[in-house]
Amino acid sequence: DTEVTQTPKHLVMGMTNKKSLKCEQHMGHRAMYWYKQKAKKPPELMFVYSYEKLSINESVPSRFSPECPNSSLLNLHLHALQPEDSALYLCASSRTETPSAYNEQFFGPGTRLTVL
Amino acid sequence: EDQVTQSPEALRLQEGESSSLNCSYTVSGLRGLFWYRQDPGKGPEFLFTLYSAGEEKEKERLKATLTKKESFLHITAPKPEDSATYLCAAVRGATNKLIFGTGTLLAVQP
Repeated sequence: DTEVTQTPKHLVMGMTNKKSLKCEQHMGHRAMYWYKQKAKKPPELMFVYSYEKLSINESVPSRFSPECPNSSLLNLHLHALQPEDSALYLCASSRTETPSAYNEQFFGPGTRLTVL
Repeated sequence: EDQVTQSPEALRLQEGESSSLNCSYTVSGLRGLFWYRQDPGKGPEFLFTLYSAGEEKEKERLKATLTKKESFLHITAPKPEDSATYLCAAVRGATNKLIFGTGTLLAVQP
């Protein structure tokens, strides 16, 4: 099973709201990722967690706050977002963070976020 | 600077008309080259991983190959359900950070 699940599928929020995106995997993977994807563009890496610890933050604004409560779960807390933050937010996981040809990242279906 | 470039940006084929998509890379210390398929509004679906020049992988109508400078995704006798954006991504260095190309949008007409 190579499934990564994400909830919700769609989210509409105002600029003053606080919301959270959730990602889950049960493949025993120890690396989890958040990506942002705008229309007709490739995914852009936001955060990497390795063994539940934040490993990479790609200079993401503080209005995005990641959290990894355990090895299967990854959350992205959203606060005071801007309309330009509207995008498809993708979660991915891999066995570890160590780069190798056989450490593929598997992506979830994404959350379509609209900020009004 | 590490870079991954895909061509063409868009490709329209008739059903059964075979073709190839190109992924050129300039990545020092390549650790892996990945191909993904992405349908509109959905997450990328993993297709293949390639590591060394000369390596080939096949899955149904798709075949991926790798040289020292580029990778090709060959599509044999495509069907309309093969229509999607195909992304290639390279991995190098100390982290599993994917360097994505901009993708090829494939449309297969019946």
